[in-house]
Amino acid sequence: GAGVSQTPSNKVTEKGKYVELRCDPISGHTALYWYRQSLGQGPEFLIYFQGTGAADDSGLPNDRFFAVRPEGSVSTLKIQRTERGDSAVYLCASSPGGGYPKNIQYFGAGTRLSVL
Amino acid sequence: GQNIDQPTEMTATEGAIVQINCTYQTSGFNGLFWYQQHAGEAPTFLSYNVLDGLEEKGRFSSFLSRSKGYSYLLLKELQMKDSASYLCAVRGSGGYQKVTFGTGTKLQVIP
Repeated sequence: GAGVSQTPSNKVTEKGKYVELRCDPISGHTALYWYRQSLGQGPEFLIYFQGTGAADDSGLPNDRFFAVRPEGSVSTLKIQRTERGDSAVYLCASSPGGGYPKNIQYFGAGTRLSVL
Repeated sequence: GQNIDQPTEMTATEGAIVQINCTYQTSGFNGLFWYQQHAGEAPTFLSYNVLDGLEEKGRFSSFLSRSKGYSYLLLKELQMKDSASYLCAVRGSGGYQKVTFGTGTKLQVIP
């Protein structure tokens, strides 16, 4: 597609529920990143994929968070047993890949998750 | 680890020039990015520096000094639409592509 697409744009859920957030990267981009952004803060790194594999998942806060990218394109961020503290905007970005000098990340509009 | 510092807020007048500073302490360095983020929107790429010096792109310029761990973003001829948050971000060394963002500087442009 023309840009990074994230769905849904807004998600309201109840504490304890399971949610999935989807990211469709720019066509041809091999690298994909998930970030979490709270109000007044910069994006906080969660996980980075190069192709299908998670190259670095050190930012995932705990084992309730999991992400997949089975075919090296679309990625899904999964959150189990949601807590109110998970409420934030979840941003996805993609970039051409590690072989490109600048390897600029392009962001989607994000999914605003509200846990009640 | 990575530590990135930038001012929380700044105010400047329409038509003026403003400089937003960023200092960083990182375990490795392979480039510094500036992004603009309007409220409720996605960050958009502004500039990239990997070597020391000034990069100019229209009204926006970005400077880097690797020895000082310092960068600034310079915005000239400010317009009301420049009111946004400006994020400084640093990429670690080698082939590793993880980028760490600062908390952002919220710029308000006033008439």
